[in-house]
Amino acid sequence: QVQLVQSGAEVKKPGASVKLSCKTSGYPFTGSAIHWVRQVPGQGLEWMGWLNVKNGDTKYSQEFQDRFTFTRDTSASTAYMEVSSLRSEDTAVYYCAKKGVSGYVDYWGQGTLVTVSS
Amino acid sequence: QSALTQPASVSGSPGQSITISCTGSSSDIGGYNYVSWYQQYPGKAPRLIMYDVTNRASGVSDRFSGSKSGNTASLTITGLQSEDEADYFCCSYTSSPGYVFGSGTKVTVL
Repeated sequence: QVQLVQSGAEVKKPGASVKLSCKTSGYPFTGSAIHWVRQVPGQGLEWMGWLNVKNGDTKYSQEFQDRFTFTRDTSASTAYMEVSSLRSEDTAVYYCAKKGVSGYVDYWGQGTLVTVSS
Repeated sequence: QSALTQPASVSGSPGQSITISCTGSSSDIGGYNYVSWYQQYPGKAPRLIMYDVTNRASGVSDRFSGSKSGNTASLTITGLQSEDEADYFCCSYTSSPGYVFGSGTKVTVL
């Protein structure tokens, strides 16, 4: 079955960087793009962008263009998201998610909580 | 890109029907038949329930249905059950290009 397993919770200080992982299984990794979605505690979902796993191309939502980087390791069937210069407002749950046939998200990771606090 | 507009909350009694609206613009909902809906329980990851406006995801009850008219998409839940109490988010492809989620609706079963 399709699974996306994300790395564990992180606690970081402002200004630091963090790299989250999303290990996939149960489907051909290069066959589907990976979406990244943010959810601030108690708030809604925000589409951050997506990663074309086959060629590494990325598309970022405007709000996430500067400090966010999507990458992948095809040999490990794993996608990554790195955030630099962390701010307190980056405190959120970050989800990786598999792109369905026409772009919707058909499978979600369990989410990674990133807490940014001094 | 601003979030699509959803009512903050919708409630109904068991067995009743409810409809959740999701309003955007001609650049997203009105321009494409790529609206999806997600159900989220507290502390859990979202789950796909509807895609491409009217298609139910695998394993989703036929009590759920989707539609679209102009710039507004809707999710209808018939025969409301206690297990339907959750947050619901719509999502649409946009001309940016990219995707945008709705603001979310909390469904309460009275």
